[in-house]
Amino acid sequence: GAVVSQHPSRVICKSGTSVKIECRSLDFQATTMFWYRQFPKQSLMLMATSNEGSKATYEQGVEKDKFLINHASLTLSTLTVTSAHPEDSSFYICSAMPPRTGNEQFFGPGTRLTVL
Amino acid sequence: GQQLNQSPQSMFIQEGEDVSMNCTSSSIFNTWLWYKQDPGEGPVLLIALYKAGELTSNGRLTAQFGITRKDSFLNISASIPSDVGIYFCAGQLLGNQFYFGTGTSLTVIP
Repeated sequence: GAVVSQHPSRVICKSGTSVKIECRSLDFQATTMFWYRQFPKQSLMLMATSNEGSKATYEQGVEKDKFLINHASLTLSTLTVTSAHPEDSSFYICSAMPPRTGNEQFFGPGTRLTVL
Repeated sequence: GQQLNQSPQSMFIQEGEDVSMNCTSSSIFNTWLWYKQDPGEGPVLLIALYKAGELTSNGRLTAQFGITRKDSFLNISASIPSDVGIYFCAGQLLGNQFYFGTGTSLTVIP
């Protein structure tokens, strides 16, 4: 149980295009999901908290118009990187908290975004 | 965001040796989690701690939630080659947000 998937696993796009990344909880419903960003050999940085049916809560310094988050159902959250630029290239990872498991977060496998 | 200081930054040990790493913060956390991440993959949960002073084991892994609630440590006993990876602590403040430590890169030499 507590499986989280992400799609795509890798994406390469041209500068100026938008990229959508999906995060799904496969065997549980998640009212809250989280989006992280990780640069090579660095830690995970929390970008935003995605809440089902309401607006996401963004961490300080994260541009909400740049990183659009939509949590349309209890099993799906999407992160759209709009007008991507090379500096947006990174490893994006989502996580979700199954109900009744305390505060344990389970992570997806991550999405490697490369912007040319 | 919050900063969790994790040490050591990297470790090179012989197979069979024990490993110890810790995480400290200036903030008080409600929950501490320890994760292991392999290259190009998402972190995998190892141990979760919920109470100050709590000591929890998972096989060869043991972790403790510091009494001050500002720190935690993770021990790995009798290391094996598959222990190689990056270990992260994560602390939870009020609400559901978790913040991650800077990571400890572990290399086990056979």
